Amino acid sequence: KNEVEQSPQNLTAQEGEFITINCSYSVGISALHWLQQHPGGGIVSLFMLSSGKKKHGRLIATINIQEKHSSLHITASHPRDSAVYICAVQFQGAQKLVFGQGTRLTINP
Amino acid sequence: GAGVSQSPRYKVAKRGQDVALRCDPISGHVSLFWYQQALGQGPEFLTYFQNEAQLDKSGLPSDRFFAERPEGSVSTLKIQRTQQEDSAVYLCASSFQLTRAQHFGDGTRLSIL
Repeated sequence: KNEVEQSPQNLTAQEGEFITINCSYSVGISALHWLQQHPGGGIVSLFMLSSGKKKHGRLIATINIQEKHSSLHITASHPRDSAVYICAVQFQGAQKLVFGQGTRLTINP
Repeated sequence: GAGVSQSPRYKVAKRGQDVALRCDPISGHVSLFWYQQALGQGPEFLTYFQNEAQLDKSGLPSDRFFAERPEGSVSTLKIQRTQQEDSAVYLCASSFQLTRAQHFGDGTRLSIL
């Protein structure tokens, strides 16, 4: 069982829809990361958070430490948002990232 | 450079050959990580350097995998006697310090025939 679980695995939506991707993890963490990966492999760091909420443009990331759960939201989704979104955590006392399996998001025009 | 640079971008090798993958981190970044990403999966940790010191190599799948960062900047991941199961994208990431976000390279896609 993966220590970091994402849902859904695949998500298809229409342009303009509000998108939510969920991530849950097993034990205490020092930080949680949301990453975006486009076809071809390049990974971009979207957010790094350890509590509360962060917002950047149309992207919002929240984390609930007590429930060991984080969500990534995309408002007014656009076809260029189509990518794989990956949740990754740094468990307490560790430096390495442990990744979820990713959510493949497709936004149709 | 502006970002993490990995080379080659693609590598095809025959089973049994040795390969070397290079990572140029962002200048001044002391932490450097190697990850392996199989097709359709999330990345998995291989090894981690703080400057030239390899502090964690628990993710290296076998003794055929070896990584070094002799001067605390450029790193090389070497795979000896490659096997088909080594086919994957190898990602390098660097960060200014452990509490900062990791910046990823575009990866090296390794195919073993």
